[in-house]
Parts: sequence; C-alpha cells; structure tokens
Amino acid sequence: ETGVTQTPRHLVMGMTNKKSLKCEQHLGHNAMYWYKQSAKKPLELMFVYNFKEQTENNSVPSRFSPECPNSSHLFLHLHTLQPEDSALYLCASSQPGRTSTDTQYFGPGTRLTVL
Amino acid sequence: DAKTTQPTSMDCAEGRAANLPCNHSTISGNEYVYWYRQIHSQGPQYIIHGLKNNETNEMASLIITEDRKSSTLILPHATLRDTAVYYCIVRGRTALIFGKGTTLSVSS
Repeated sequence: ETGVTQTPRHLVMGMTNKKSLKCEQHLGHNAMYWYKQSAKKPLELMFVYNFKEQTENNSVPSRFSPECPNSSHLFLHLHTLQPEDSALYLCASSQPGRTSTDTQYFGPGTRLTVL
Repeated sequence: DAKTTQPTSMDCAEGRAANLPCNHSTISGNEYVYWYRQIHSQGPQYIIHGLKNNETNEMASLIITEDRKSSTLILPHATLRDTAVYYCIVRGRTALIFGKGTTLSVSS
C-alpha cells in the first residue's frame, strides 16, 4: 500500500465509449502524474500536474483528457479510444522540492482494454 | 536526463545476495540515482535513491562509485517475492524516465 489508489483496476470499453480513470493520493503531495505502459514497453509519461496546474503534456492525443480538481485527485477522461490504447495506466504522486529528490509513489494501475 | 544501461536479465538463488549493476556515465553533478522495481502488472515500487554516498534502507543497499558513473543495487537476501523488473533511473527533470530495466528471477 503506497497511499495512491486507482479505480477501476480493470476496464473494458468500446471505441465509442466514454469512461474515466480515477486516482487519489493520501500522502499530502502536490504533484500528480499519469503514465502509460503498453505491453512489453517502458513506462511513458503522459501528464504532470503541480499544485493542480498542468505543467507537462507529453504530446498525448486529445482523446485523453486529464483533470486535476485538487492536489489529492487526478482523473483521466477517455473518449473514442483505439485498440492500441489498451495498456496499463499508472498514476503517481510526489512532493515537489527545490532539488531533484521528490520521490514518486505509484498506484496499482488500471488495466484498460479497448475493443 | 542522463541515460542508464542495465543488463537485460539476471538470476539469483533464494537466500543469496542479488547485485544489480547500472551504468550512468553521463550523469551530471546534481542528478540522483533512483531504483524502482515492478512486479508483474503492478505499479512500480520505490526502492532507494542516492546522490554520492552509499545508502541503505530496509529493502536494499545502493553503492555508488566515487566517479558516480555506475552504481549497484544490493538485495542482501533475495526471496522469491523479489522477482521483478528493476529500473535504474537518473533523475533530472520533473518526471522519471523509465528504460527497460533488469528482469531479476529468484529461484529456490
């Protein structure tokens, strides 16, 4: 248990569906992240939020729409996805500092399958 | 961000020490070395990090060479539950950049 929870743990959706992934952290952190891990590939950063503001978008297609209503919650809204978007979606949080030492803690991930 | 090089896979007998090497020859002075591991289909788990000095916690020890161009993660008494992919990451900008890591297989 890392203090970062994700729901749902598994999701199957059609290409025309709209769904949302939820992440919640109980660590008092102010930075939250979305990562994508496709089969047999390294984790890829998608989005970064610092103090509720998006500070990084790693060229993610607009069919993925993040939302960060407060420092404890992060959502990833999904619409008109493609089968190649099937992957493990991971959320992480950290407490930003002045140096490069803010450790990220990851949630268990949501396994997404797009049919 | 500095890149890292790790062996693709390693084997270790249960109860023995597992020594996982990592090369990071282009590391800069203010970059830290982080280690994470990922057990199949779970989220990555933070293990340890360091800058210059050797570090130890309840999970592992991190040995960084004096020139900082390489490091070794040591699991002192490997168990079957330590079977995972281990990632060595040199921390630069905001986010972690994961490579392919080392797949450690611990067997009885």
